[in-house]
Amino acid sequence: GQNIDQPTEMTATEGAIVQINCTYQTSGFNGLFWYQQHAGEAPTFLSYNVLDGLEEKGRFSSFLSRSKGYSYLLLKELQMKDSASYLCAVRAPGQAGTALIFGKGTTLSVSS
Amino acid sequence: SQTIHQWPATLVQPVGSPLSLECTVEGTSNPNLYWYRQAAGRGLQLLFYSVGIGQISSEVPQNLSASRPQDRQFILSSKKLLLSDSGFYLCAWGDGTNEKLFFGSGTQLSVL
Repeated sequence: GQNIDQPTEMTATEGAIVQINCTYQTSGFNGLFWYQQHAGEAPTFLSYNVLDGLEEKGRFSSFLSRSKGYSYLLLKELQMKDSASYLCAVRAPGQAGTALIFGKGTTLSVSS
Repeated sequence: SQTIHQWPATLVQPVGSPLSLECTVEGTSNPNLYWYRQAAGRGLQLLFYSVGIGQISSEVPQNLSASRPQDRQFILSSKKLLLSDSGFYLCAWGDGTNEKLFFGSGTQLSVL
């Protein structure tokens, strides 16, 4: 079966750094994605990892270890607008087209 | 550039009534199309996917059906809605070679 785990909720303060972890157990692996979703809105793409290591994109970075079935999303210099749900998703072989399997998401609350 | 349109944004329907949600994509040809549902406290659940006109695959047995009458049109339907059909419905497209899914703005469906 497919299983993706991430914490339900996290809190942080403006200007801080937060790391959101994701572990997965899937029958195969073709890439891991992070999406950001503000309440009532559609998810928007943040990052993609298919090889081990760190991918940096501005204030956001994502790390992958395929041998450990583990990824994290690192958010630096937090801003109030970063308050949102962060979704970890995995594409596993055998899934339709480019369909992704999503975790339940981590709700991040940033306070001043 | 590619765009995806989904409507309506919100919908309140009585139990037992029919449903039709429409999604269209512009700026790309032969996209893979997907319907996801997001229920409260649950992750994004893949409902249907389509790799071409008239080709529909269902991921979860349920009270819903999907159709793809044109290359860039994807429709989600039900003959009789259940209370459990309430949720946030998201249409998405992927080009089949790229790694990302792009989501429509979503439909919040409340079945009462």
